[in-house]
Amino acid sequence: EDQVTQSPEALRLQEGESSSLNCSYTVSGLRGLFWYRQDPGKGPEFLFTLYSAGEEKEKERLKATLTKKESFLHITAPKPEDSATYLCAVKSITGGGNKLTFGTGTQLKVEL
Amino acid sequence: DAGVIQSPRHEVTEMGQEVTLRCKPISGHDYLFWYRQTMMRGLELLIYFNNNVPIDDSGMPEDRFSAKMPNASFSTLKIQPSEPRDSAVYFCASSPGPWTDTNYGYTFGSGTRLTVV
Repeated sequence: EDQVTQSPEALRLQEGESSSLNCSYTVSGLRGLFWYRQDPGKGPEFLFTLYSAGEEKEKERLKATLTKKESFLHITAPKPEDSATYLCAVKSITGGGNKLTFGTGTQLKVEL
Repeated sequence: DAGVIQSPRHEVTEMGQEVTLRCKPISGHDYLFWYRQTMMRGLELLIYFNNNVPIDDSGMPEDRFSAKMPNASFSTLKIQPSEPRDSAVYFCASSPGPWTDTNYGYTFGSGTRLTVV
């Protein structure tokens, strides 16, 4: 069974204070690791997909990296508008073909 | 495109009543997913369809839950009878297919917040 664990559960940063969110996963054959952002009262919004160890993707102040056991979402010089819950999910060969298994998320708060 | 449209946004019902949640996926998307989100368990996949056919319903918690997709533009998730432990946010998502994962992933609706009292 695919498993995804995210840490920390919550993170409070000052504006401009860079940090990283962690996503550890256990799958039998990774087809993709996904990062989503979720704002209160809304559905998750797609950020990145990573496929193989060593791969990196960037979007504005966010950079996602992938190893064989975990992924990191690095946030550089965050702003208050980056406050949200960040979700990690995996798709695996044994996961039914096209379904995502999500972690419980990291709730990020960026303060002025 | 208006995105994935779910209705209602909020539903409050009494225990034992039937609840029907609705979803309109993005036109042209062949995959439709129903997820449930709670604080304790996060996002859990309930069922997904490909070209209107249910592919994996292993996440449907009990026989009280049923889902249908009568055509490419409409799906329902029904709970009968509802119980307080069914209280959660229910999300519908759609996807063109796994070949678009690189750039799009899934597109989620805004969810239906269900409260069973």
